[in-house]
Amino acid sequence: AQSVTQLGSHVSVSEGALVLLRCNYSSSVPPYLFWYVQYPNQGLQLLLKYTSAATLVKGINGFEAEFKKSETSFHLTKPSAHMSDAAEYFCAVSVTGGGNKLTFGTGTQLKVEL
Amino acid sequence: GAGVSQSPSNKVTEKGKDVELRCDPISGHTALYWYRQSLGQGLEFLIYFQGNSAPDKSGLPSDRFSAERTGGSVSTLTIQRTQQEDSAVYLCASSFTSGGAPQETQYFGPGTRLLVL
Repeated sequence: AQSVTQLGSHVSVSEGALVLLRCNYSSSVPPYLFWYVQYPNQGLQLLLKYTSAATLVKGINGFEAEFKKSETSFHLTKPSAHMSDAAEYFCAVSVTGGGNKLTFGTGTQLKVEL
Repeated sequence: GAGVSQSPSNKVTEKGKDVELRCDPISGHTALYWYRQSLGQGLEFLIYFQGNSAPDKSGLPSDRFSAERTGGSVSTLTIQRTQQEDSAVYLCASSFTSGGAPQETQYFGPGTRLLVL
């Protein structure tokens, strides 16, 4: 079975500051890893994904994440936060052969302050 | 092109009533998933369809929950005898299938917000 741990249910940064959202996973087989963003009263939008190709993955809106197998981590970063980045972010894992159902972390609410 | 659509967007019902939630996946996507998002449980998987078959129903929380898919397209999630703990956002997602296996990227609909009074 797979699991995901997101450290920090709430993260606050200043506009222009580095964004770092942490995600650690557990999986007995090579995983697929995802970051999704959810704006208020909306569904989930895919930011980026890791599917065993390049370990540094670039996504939309300037976000990127690095897959580190030795640390079982897939942290999300953005060099400079923008007010529009305020949202909830979910890390998720899936594996092949199981219908690719997603197992989500508990989410991190990102607040961006002036 | 059109994304995943869900209806209704909001549903308020009384405890004990049955509700039906609808999902219309992206055209050509044969894999379809239902998830539930609630304050207490976070985001959790409910059921996965490949075409009209459901090879994984492991996330359905009780026998009050059922889902079907017809014509390999629209899916309906039915909750019978609703309880207050069923209040949540129900999200649907779909993905493309290649070689008989769903692709890893799922595209989500906006969800149906269910409130059971």
